[in-house]
Amino acid sequence: DVKVTQSSRYLVKRTGEKVFLECVQDMDHENMFWYRQDPGLGLRLIYFSYDVKMKEKGDIPEGYSVSREKKERFSLILESASTNQTSMYLCASSLETAGEKLFFGSGTQLSVL
Amino acid sequence: DQQVKQNSPSLSVQEGRISILNCDYTNSMFDYFLWYKKYPAEGPTFLISISSIKDKNEDGRFTVFLNKSAKHLSLHIVPSQPGDSAVYFCAATDLTGNQFYFGTGTSLTVIP
Repeated sequence: DVKVTQSSRYLVKRTGEKVFLECVQDMDHENMFWYRQDPGLGLRLIYFSYDVKMKEKGDIPEGYSVSREKKERFSLILESASTNQTSMYLCASSLETAGEKLFFGSGTQLSVL
Repeated sequence: DQQVKQNSPSLSVQEGRISILNCDYTNSMFDYFLWYKKYPAEGPTFLISISSIKDKNEDGRFTVFLNKSAKHLSLHIVPSQPGDSAVYFCAATDLTGNQFYFGTGTSLTVIP
């Protein structure tokens, strides 16, 4: 069965801390994505990657960076966490083919205090 | 600018009745449309999809309709069940399949 695994379900961090969110998929998918979900705003794309070491900015990349050193792993980094980055973070992956669906992880609820 | 819009933030329906969730899009290059269901504190799960070459796709209690001329799609759930209570997101992607655009979601409550 298809699996996208996010390392933490819940995370509490302090303002100014560097935060790493890890995501691993076991489906050999080319594309990987990081979204955040906030009430009333839906799912907003932060970054995506269509290949190892490749990355593209999404709609809201400010304050975030990403790393994709291996095909199966896509990391989201908050360089200096701020309270407005408190959110549900969702990792997803898909094949690099039109008409394929996104598979999501369970999400990480991040609280920045 | 929001390319995929869900204008109803919430919807309440009696158990056994039909739920209709609506979605509008602006980009005529969108080729593939999907609906996802999300429970609190969980990731979205895929529900049903439709290609732009079709106007209807059915899977059990779920049917998605696509009206390309109106740039509108809808999800019908019949009969609605309490377990269907969740947030529903519509999404669209173009021919590359490299980017998915999501609506803001509709929270469905099915009342027993």
